[in-house]
Amino acid sequence: DTAVSQTPKYLVTQMGNDKSIKCEQNLGHDTMYWYKQDSKKFLKIMFSYNNKELIINETVPNRFSPKSPDKAHLNLHINSLELGDSAVYFCASSSVGSPLHFGNGTRLTVT
Amino acid sequence: DAKTTQPNSMESNEEEPVHLPCNHSTISGTDYIHWYLQLPSQGPEYVIHGLTSNVNNRMASLAIAEDRKSSTLILHRATLRDAAVYYCILRWGDTDKLIFGTGTRLQVFP
Repeated sequence: DTAVSQTPKYLVTQMGNDKSIKCEQNLGHDTMYWYKQDSKKFLKIMFSYNNKELIINETVPNRFSPKSPDKAHLNLHINSLELGDSAVYFCASSSVGSPLHFGNGTRLTVT
Repeated sequence: DAKTTQPNSMESNEEEPVHLPCNHSTISGTDYIHWYLQLPSQGPEYVIHGLTSNVNNRMASLAIAEDRKSSTLILHRATLRDAAVYYCILRWGDTDKLIFGTGTRLQVFP
């Protein structure tokens, strides 16, 4: 009964490729997020969506494009991958004022 | 966004209480104090939150200073499974934006 699930768990790819990470939540939450955790373990918000509408976009390069087909799904597409994109990407969800529930992350390695 | 300051690391022995401090001297009246933990290779997990009064739940207790410029997460009896990074975060009202700091890495020794 995974509440927030992300796929894939690991993603290894070469510079210049385009890749997607998928996220699904079964908690009935209205808001979903993408966070990035870099090699220094610093967690930073990238995007949030509320009912399929973009709410937060934290000066992320436009090579990153989130897409929310419905309020239970938030995917992250990354174009022209760069070495600096290597990180762990976490999806999360919440309802207004409630704690965030995080997935277990997707470790992206760009070579 | 108001910031928090935490020690980089702390140590404890199993079954002892642990007090994890957090300073947030620029906190505003509508900021809630949230704590999350992150186990190795997992996503952050909610622990507890409060506004002004001390809070208790099955995981931990949160003690909030009277002036709200600091708070302490209390684990009453540390276990090896409590070894994690603990983040103290200020969340403004119902805002969806959680700003994570560097957190405190807690080591628990048997």
